[in-house]
Amino acid sequence: AQTVTQSQPEMSVQEAETVTLSCTYDTSESDYYLFWYKQPPSRQMILVIRQEAYKQQNATENRFSVNFQKAAKSFSLKISDSQLGDAAMYFCAYCRVPDMRFGAGTRLTVKP
Amino acid sequence: DAMVIQNPRYQVTQFGKPVTLSCSQTLNHNVMYWYQQKSSQAPKLLFHYYDKDFNNEADTPDNFQSRRPNTSFCFLDIRSPGLGDAAMYLCATSRDARGRGLQGTQYFGPGTRLTVL
Repeated sequence: AQTVTQSQPEMSVQEAETVTLSCTYDTSESDYYLFWYKQPPSRQMILVIRQEAYKQQNATENRFSVNFQKAAKSFSLKISDSQLGDAAMYFCAYCRVPDMRFGAGTRLTVKP
Repeated sequence: DAMVIQNPRYQVTQFGKPVTLSCSQTLNHNVMYWYQQKSSQAPKLLFHYYDKDFNNEADTPDNFQSRRPNTSFCFLDIRSPGLGDAAMYLCATSRDARGRGLQGTQYFGPGTRLTVL
């Protein structure tokens, strides 16, 4: 079974600084998708960024970028120029359609 | 705007009293999911519908059932809620189509918080 591991239960970053959230996963498949979802206190899960395993290029979405290392099965999220609104729970997820598995989450605090 | 809607947002039920949670979507996605999320935990997949095909997770209790009468709607039925079933229930949808694009991405509703008294 596929497992997703987020080794950092909590992280803290100063406003305007950069923070990296770690994620590793275990799979024997070669074709899959990886995601980072954000869950603020309102509890709505919001898609942050998506990566297709067959693409070597790392995905970017404005201030959010990933470092995807397929051989190492690593998928970290970098948040640049952190803002107060980035404070939330961040979940890494592995998807082999239609099945999605989430990591335990990392709670990100942004200090003004 | 195309979206995933869950009703009600908050549901209170009594121990053992059946309850139904509702999810609807305007995205015309063919896959719909139900997750259970307890406080400070990751969402746990209960089951999903792939078109009309129901797929139950092996560890989902029999107390949980689901119905999908059409593409747009999906219901979660809890036949005899226990105190341990108090949680946030999240509905999500995705489009599984051949080729690339947004395949695999799940879009979530705002959730229904269930309280069991």
